[in-house]
Amino acid sequence: EVLLVQSGAEVKKPGESLTISCKGSRYSFTTYWIDWVRQTPGQGLEWMGRIDPLDSYTNYSPSFRGHVTLSVDKSVTTAYLQWRSLKASDTAIYYCARRLGSGSSQYSDSWGQGTPVTVSS
Amino acid sequence: QSVLTQPPSVSGTPGQTVTISCTGNSSNIGPDYGVHWYLHLPETAPKLLIYVNTNRPSGVPDRFSGSKSGTSASLTITGLQADDEGRYYCQSYDDTLSAWVFGGGTLLTVL
Repeated sequence: EVLLVQSGAEVKKPGESLTISCKGSRYSFTTYWIDWVRQTPGQGLEWMGRIDPLDSYTNYSPSFRGHVTLSVDKSVTTAYLQWRSLKASDTAIYYCARRLGSGSSQYSDSWGQGTPVTVSS
Repeated sequence: QSVLTQPPSVSGTPGQTVTISCTGNSSNIGPDYGVHWYLHLPETAPKLLIYVNTNRPSGVPDRFSGSKSGTSASLTITGLQADDEGRYYCQSYDDTLSAWVFGGGTLLTVL
């Protein structure tokens, strides 16, 4: 069974930086892209972007481009989501997910347990 | 506001059939992009129910089925059960945004 294990809950102040992680196991980590998805009470699920663990190629949703950075460390089969300067509006639960499929018919078959992030002064 | 439109809520009684719609346009569902469905329960990870319009992953009961026509897709749940309650999301790709997008989600209540 594919496992994606995310780092724990975070509480931060506006303006602080943060990196959360997603460790993949029980599958070939560099074969499948990793998605990041945000869940907020008012907006439901939002696709943030994806990264190819093989070469670190990324695509970002226009809504998140420039505000977050995706990265991976193949040696430890871990993907990362980073903020340089958090805002209160970043308060949400963040999920990583493994991407399957091809072309424009790609989907997420396995998900991490989610990382709650609270940003408050 | 999501580019994929879902009804905010649907409801049904045990044993009934419910259908959740997902309406897009020529930039997303229309150009033959696959539509996928997920169930999201509070404080759990989303679960893939249907991929590429009609396909069920291993372990998903055949009570769940998907369809797609033109710029819309639907998820149908037959033999409704109490533990089907939760929020259901559709997902596809959008040409204009160059991004994968989710619908706004539909809360299913089993009465």
